[in-house]
Amino acid sequence: EPEVTQTPSHQVTQMGQEVILRCVPISNHLYFYWYRQILGQKVEFLVSFYNNEISEKSEIFDDQFSVERPDGSNFTLKIRSTKLEDSAMYFCASRKGESNQPQHFGDGTRLSIL
Amino acid sequence: DQQVKQNSPSLSVQEGRISILNCDYTNSMFDYFLWYKKYPAEGPTFLISISSIKDKNEDGRFTVFLNKSAKHLSLHIVPSQPGDSAVYFCALSYNTNAGKSTFGDGTTLTVKP
Repeated sequence: EPEVTQTPSHQVTQMGQEVILRCVPISNHLYFYWYRQILGQKVEFLVSFYNNEISEKSEIFDDQFSVERPDGSNFTLKIRSTKLEDSAMYFCASRKGESNQPQHFGDGTRLSIL
Repeated sequence: DQQVKQNSPSLSVQEGRISILNCDYTNSMFDYFLWYKKYPAEGPTFLISISSIKDKNEDGRFTVFLNKSAKHLSLHIVPSQPGDSAVYFCALSYNTNAGKSTFGDGTTLTVKP
């Protein structure tokens, strides 16, 4: 069964550095998402992406964050200047079509900011 | 403002018995209600869903109930199996292109053999 893949599984970065988290969504899916889960907290929506543009973003997704689908298969999340509070699990998800269909999640990237 | 709440952080049941996981929400405009299961070191996996026009959906051992007047969603697992031990999240979404999901805090289910 096709799945969403995320790399790397664990990223350690110095505070203030840029980081790029990578995702390969399921190939025939049209909607793409990033969520994060800070340790011990709930899964939080960051951003949704459809038709090569952001369709919705949360208040967490400030100017330090950006997303890109550079080549039709990858979907990336960039954090320009990381902060300690960016440490979390970041999950990528994709959805095939209609909004009643479930999102399929990757296994996440654990981001640790030192 | 927490729109989706799972008030029980943990639940422990005996194998073969029923597990009931609950979820309460505040916004009556949600269109779809989903349950995801999450094992450690993995992403959430879709389990079962229900639309706002229905009050029950069943898939094998899993049944989801929706009480719109009470703004309450529940997941029944019967019979429970040790492999069901995981964190269960309810997730609610609107019928929009963005289709983002708003997650509850999660309930850790432990099924004892």
